[in-house]
Amino acid sequence: GAGVSQSPRYKVTKRGQDVALRCDPISGHVSLYWYRQALGQGPEFLTYFNYEAQQDKSGLPNDRFSAERPEGSISTLTIQRTEQRDSAMYRCASSSSGANVLTFGAGSRLTVL
Amino acid sequence: LAKTTQPISMDSYEGQEVNITCSHNNIATNDYITWYQQFPSQGPRFIIQGYKTKVTNEVASLFIPADRKSSTLSLPRVSLSDTAVYYCLVAAPLSGGYNKLIFGAGTRLAVHP
Repeated sequence: GAGVSQSPRYKVTKRGQDVALRCDPISGHVSLYWYRQALGQGPEFLTYFNYEAQQDKSGLPNDRFSAERPEGSISTLTIQRTEQRDSAMYRCASSSSGANVLTFGAGSRLTVL
Repeated sequence: LAKTTQPISMDSYEGQEVNITCSHNNIATNDYITWYQQFPSQGPRFIIQGYKTKVTNEVASLFIPADRKSSTLSLPRVSLSDTAVYYCLVAAPLSGGYNKLIFGAGTRLAVHP
């Protein structure tokens, strides 16, 4: 597509429920990043994919968080047993290989009640 | 990864030139300096990248001294629409490789009428 597409844009869920956030990167972009951003703070790195390989997941807060990119394109970030502290804007970005130029999506705002 | 330090906030007025300086004392030989801009309710957007000396594009200029331990983002004649958070990142682009791009808190620029 023309840009990075994320869905849903807004998600409100109850504590303890699982949520899945989807990212559709720019066509041909091999690198895909997930970030989390709290209000008033910079984006916090969560995980990175190169094609379908998850090369770095050091930023995932705990084992309730997981991500996949099975065919090297669309990626899903899953949060199990959500907690109120998981409430944030979750941002996906993609880039061409070898560049520090990321294109971000509009984000998915998660609210856990 | 080189750590960056930049002012938390800056104020300016329409029509003025704004210079935001970022310190990166531990920058490595292969590191590039990249700046992003983030408007409220949007994801960060790439604005400029450089390695040394001066880089200019239609949005901004980036000045990098010979020792590369700092860089200055220059926004000419700012307008109200330049009100945003500006992030400085330092990392080495790797061909076919991976960069864990870390965003700090950024500099919150407020442009006043």
